Amino acid sequence: DVKVTQSSRYLVKRTGEKVFLECVQDMDHENMFWYRQDPGLGLRLIYFSYDVKMKEKGDIPEGYSVSREKKERFSLILESASTNQTSMYLCASSSPARETQYFGPGTRLLVL
Amino acid sequence: RKEVEQDPGPFNVPEGATVAFNCTYSNSASQSFFWYRQDCRKEPKLLMSVYSSGNEDGRFTAQLNRASQYISLLIRDSKLSDSATYLCAVNPLGAAGNKLTFGGGTRVLVKP
Repeated sequence: DVKVTQSSRYLVKRTGEKVFLECVQDMDHENMFWYRQDPGLGLRLIYFSYDVKMKEKGDIPEGYSVSREKKERFSLILESASTNQTSMYLCASSSPARETQYFGPGTRLLVL
Repeated sequence: RKEVEQDPGPFNVPEGATVAFNCTYSNSASQSFFWYRQDCRKEPKLLMSVYSSGNEDGRFTAQLNRASQYISLLIRDSKLSDSATYLCAVNPLGAAGNKLTFGGGTRVLVKP
């Protein structure tokens, strides 16, 4: 069974803080993704990576950066958190051979 | 026009009834299609892939209509446990890193 874990289920931060969200997968998947999910807006892709040290912007990269130093780990960084970044953040991974994405349990981030 | 669109619902379904709903996509070159199920405050989980010939998994049937550019999901003999949001996902041909575009989801409520 594919397992994708995320560092926190719930997180409360203050405006201006630097926030790190970590994602780890145990299936040796090349591809990893970060999404945010908001009511009425669905799942929106922030960044994705198809190899170590590779990253590509998704649909809404502004205010975010990512890091992929190891194949199994993909980090999302909010350089200076803002209240409009309050959201559910979901990490996913997939292999090139199979397009199915497997999701982590999500991190609910509240920025005050 | 959004790349992938779904009726948000909710679809209120009596237990034991059949419910069906669609997902339309705008890129005619899209090749891969999926249905995910998302329970309240949980991560999306793959329900089924959608093949050209259509496919069935127990009470669930997925169909692809390329001419009209939509996929459908039909649930027979609905159970209370089928209550969830159903997300469709599409991989446009050649999308780097197996990127998927998700619809906003269709909410299904099965009632006794």
